[in-house]
Amino acid sequence: KAGVTQTPRYLIKTRGQQVTLSCSPISGHRSVSWYQQTPGQGLQFLFEYFSETQRNKGNFPGRFSGRQFSNSRSEMNVSTLELGDSALYLCASSLGGAGEKLFFGSGTQLSVL
Amino acid sequence: DQQVKQNSPSLSVQEGRISILNCDYTNSMFDYFLWYKKYPAEGPTFLISISSIKDKNEDGRFTVFLNKSAKHLSLHIVPSQPGDSAVYFCAASRGSTLGRLYFGRGTQLTVWP
Repeated sequence: KAGVTQTPRYLIKTRGQQVTLSCSPISGHRSVSWYQQTPGQGLQFLFEYFSETQRNKGNFPGRFSGRQFSNSRSEMNVSTLELGDSALYLCASSLGGAGEKLFFGSGTQLSVL
Repeated sequence: DQQVKQNSPSLSVQEGRISILNCDYTNSMFDYFLWYKKYPAEGPTFLISISSIKDKNEDGRFTVFLNKSAKHLSLHIVPSQPGDSAVYFCAASRGSTLGRLYFGRGTQLTVWP
């Protein structure tokens, strides 16, 4: 079974630009969640989608948005990039039930210059 | 506010000895706890989990202990191997926010020969 696939692997943008990251979950998984990892901050939850509906949302500004398609693939968008948005963005998929473990992709390393 | 805390940013252990990684949490509504391992430039990989109705779960060299009254859990690795060197994240979930994990900031484990 193929794992979680994230594209692109690396991305360099400048302040003020916008960016779209893509995530393909494990086949059969209906939940996709996104996390931001910065040095020393652990994994900060962005949002989670289940069957095309946003089910949970973390404490990030409205510049961060996402969506999920009918095939469970998900995209995350960040508009008006700031230097502080430089981070590793991780996507994870799961069956979406209680206590279900998350399967993570390798992440997209975003650098904002 | 950090609901899952890993107070030791690093731990160094000799090969063959026991590694004990600790985690504390503040939210009594958490009902599942998980440990993830992460290598640089990769996504976290699931290691082991425990339900809040249990106090111990074992899988090979890995054992997780849960003390609900103290809101504390620990991961024991016996015996430790150099390949175990990675960042270990403690995570928790609760039924009201399905699909979301609350992560600690991680502990860097180094196992030396």
